[in-house]
Order: sequence, then structure tokens, then C-alpha cells
Amino acid sequence: QQQVKQSPQSLIVQKGGISIINCAYENTAFDYFPWYQQFPGKGPALLIAIRPDVSEKKEGRFTISFNKSAKQFSLHIMDSQPGDSATYFCAPRGPRGSRLTFGEGTQLTVNP
Amino acid sequence: DTEVTQTPKHLVMGMTNKKSLKCEQHMGHRAMYWYKQKAKKPPELMFVYSYEKLSINESVPSRFSPECPNSSLLNLHLHALQPEDSALYLCASRPIGTLNTGELFFGEGSRLTVL
Repeated sequence: QQQVKQSPQSLIVQKGGISIINCAYENTAFDYFPWYQQFPGKGPALLIAIRPDVSEKKEGRFTISFNKSAKQFSLHIMDSQPGDSATYFCAPRGPRGSRLTFGEGTQLTVNP
Repeated sequence: DTEVTQTPKHLVMGMTNKKSLKCEQHMGHRAMYWYKQKAKKPPELMFVYSYEKLSINESVPSRFSPECPNSSLLNLHLHALQPEDSALYLCASRPIGTLNTGELFFGEGSRLTVL
């Protein structure tokens, strides 16, 4: 998992605040940049993903920002809600690849 | 049907037992995966099947034996496991070809405890 560094490891945010999670990668061959959300006792589920030909993608309260030159992408959660409390994984994927490279995860807690 | 169904949800076994985990999907996905996830860690890839053929084995010990009997089913046979094999075992699937958006669809996992 050395190819992907995710930060912070944990994050506590007040309801209504902005949550920001970052992911730095080394492999320039990655061509798909997703964020997965995992609730306790459940499997991960795709939250939002971006291709490297765009710099930003927004879906509701969730935004991915992608910086190809810096080899970084981030997840922004606007108006964070207690229901967003979960573990978030960045998991970029290589070309034609069958595998995702997971970051170590960020445990987000949104306090009411 | 957009679900990946895993059974059993919980399994407790001794080190001498033989058991199996089962995964089923009816989305027509031709790539299926087994992942292992320890507490507070990311999922670790174990095996990948493409068109019912094993395409990736991440150097998994032989006490784990995968099987893909058809395009909807994936099994993981367990034998002579160690306590350190206790983990959440996740199955995932995705389409191959033009329908492939990159998204992996995960099941809820089978929580395995080895005594």
C-alpha cells in the first residue's frame, strides 16, 4: 500500500462543517480515482470517482478535487452530517487494471 | 438486482475445520473478487476471477482455496486456518468490457473467527 498515502487517519467534524480527506499517490499509471465509504459491519461502497481528464467533480455534498501534477486528489464533504460518520478509502486503479490500491482509510466522525 | 450477497454473515471455526464462504451476484458481472479486511485496515486483495478463470492470486496461503463454479457464484474454501486468519472476508464484482465503469460492488462480508 506504499503507493497511496491517505490523510488524516481520523477526523472529527461538527455537524454542518466541511470534511476534507486527502490522498497522494506515486503511480502515474493510475487512471481512475474513486473514494469508497464503509459503514461498520458493511462492505465498502463507491461514493464518488473521477477520471484524470477533469480537475473536479461534484455530486451533491461530495466533491473530488484532482491535481494531476501534484499526484493528489481529495474528498470534500460539505455540510457534514452525523450520517456521514464512516471510514473513507481512496482507491486509485491502474490502466485496464483489475485491482484497486486502497489507502489506509480515514475514520470520519461528525458530531451532532 | 444490484446486490452482492455473501453467506454466512458470521462463521466461527476451529483450526481443524473445513468450511466455505459463498458469494452470489446476478448483475451479469464477469469479474469477481475476494478481499480480506482486518479491523481498522483497508481491504487486501486475495483473488480475482475473470470469466470464471482465476486471473490473480495475491500469494494467498493454500489453506484458502477459491472456486468459481459459474458466472454468478464465487466460493472460498477454508481449511486448517490459523487464528490470525480471523477477519472480514469481502466479495466484490464488476462488469468487464464496455459496461465497466471501474466501480467495484462489494457484499457485506462474512465475519470469520478462527479459534
